[in-house]
Amino acid sequence: EDKVVQSPLSLVVHEGDTVTLNCSYEVTNFRSLLWYKQEKKAPTFLFMLTSRGIEKKSGRLSSILDKKELFSILNITATQTGDSAVYLCTPSGGSNYKLTFGKGTLLTVNP
Amino acid sequence: EPEVTQTPSHQVTQMGQEVILRCVPISNHLYFYWYRQILGQKVEFLVSFYNNEISEKSEIFDDQFSVERPDGSNFTLKIRSTKLEDSAMYFCAANQEQYFGPGTRLTVT
Repeated sequence: EDKVVQSPLSLVVHEGDTVTLNCSYEVTNFRSLLWYKQEKKAPTFLFMLTSRGIEKKSGRLSSILDKKELFSILNITATQTGDSAVYLCTPSGGSNYKLTFGKGTLLTVNP
Repeated sequence: EPEVTQTPSHQVTQMGQEVILRCVPISNHLYFYWYRQILGQKVEFLVSFYNNEISEKSEIFDDQFSVERPDGSNFTLKIRSTKLEDSAMYFCAANQEQYFGPGTRLTVT
């Protein structure tokens, strides 16, 4: 059975802190690993990683995939209150790239 | 980010009624998906759709559910006879990057 385990489940930090969110996964016929940010409604796409060891960066956010260890991390530097959200790590697998979701990490950034 | 739109944003229906949720992806999208999220729970895969047919479906996607793309643009999810437990946010997503639409909140009373 496909599964995703994210840690920590929740995290409270102060503005300016750096955070690291962890994700381990098991999925049949792995295609890629996607990260999303979910605030009040729909998940917003952040990254898609397909190759091992490749780090993707977008401003203060970066992510690495380790396909051998079935693990990914999302780093956020210089956090802002607007970063407060649930962060979802989702492997894409199967023949049709379906996503498997875990519970996510609830990040709260206090001013 | 390519925009996927969904209508309605909120649908209230009585138990046993049929509902149709609509999604309008970008015209060059090839893969389409429906997910749902019950309040306070994780997002769950329902069905994937490729080349105008269902390519994979989950255990949740039973005979009460159906999908189609009748006119080459709108992608619809139909629930024939709604149950209380169908109350959830329903998200449409498109393509491998799976850009999510804003969702439809379905409330079954």
